[in-house]
Amino acid sequence: KNQVEQSPQSLIILEGKNCTLQCNYTVSPFSNLRWYKQDTGRGPVSLTIMTFSENTKSNGRYTATLDADTKQSSLHITASQLSDSASYICVVSEGAAGNKLTFGGGTRVLVKP
Amino acid sequence: GAVVSQHPSRVICKSGTSVKIECRSLDFQATTMFWYRQFPKQSLMLMATSNEGSKATYEQGVEKDKFLINHASLTLSTLTVTSAHPEDSSFYICSARDTGTGGYYGYTFGSGTRLTVV
Repeated sequence: KNQVEQSPQSLIILEGKNCTLQCNYTVSPFSNLRWYKQDTGRGPVSLTIMTFSENTKSNGRYTATLDADTKQSSLHITASQLSDSASYICVVSEGAAGNKLTFGGGTRVLVKP
Repeated sequence: GAVVSQHPSRVICKSGTSVKIECRSLDFQATTMFWYRQFPKQSLMLMATSNEGSKATYEQGVEKDKFLINHASLTLSTLTVTSAHPEDSSFYICSARDTGTGGYYGYTFGSGTRLTVV
């Protein structure tokens, strides 16, 4: 069964600090991996999309990495801000067309001043 | 970038009534849209895939007669929760798929609808 596991489930960090979120997947065949940010009571917003051949991709203070061999991805948040408090969801697309999404359970991040 | 508008953002309805939620792709055409349900502190759960001009495809366990989906145009899909009950209270999110770039589809989500059935 295709699965996407995220860790930790939640974390608290101090403003200005860095943190790294993990995503392990068993989805096959793999098409691409996406990281979304979801603020409370809002829909997810895309942060990064990576295909098989991409190892890293940045979007401002967010940097995602992908190791397709070990089927692992990480999302690194640099110099966290209060507005980074949200859930971060790892989503893996399956198949040649990438038209089937498998969602991870998300990591809830709380940034404290 | 692609924008998806979802309306209403919040709705409270009485048990037994029906509620319609709209999902519009504002700057692109979407032949395929998706409807998700999200419970507190959980990730999104796919309810159904909405296909323009044809019947929606429902996930296992989702009642198609309770959750009516209509995708009559390339920019609009609607989800109607019929005869709503308190257990239908949840956060509903739509997503529209565009042609994307780089050889893969783009998925843009709406801002969600908080449904409370009293």
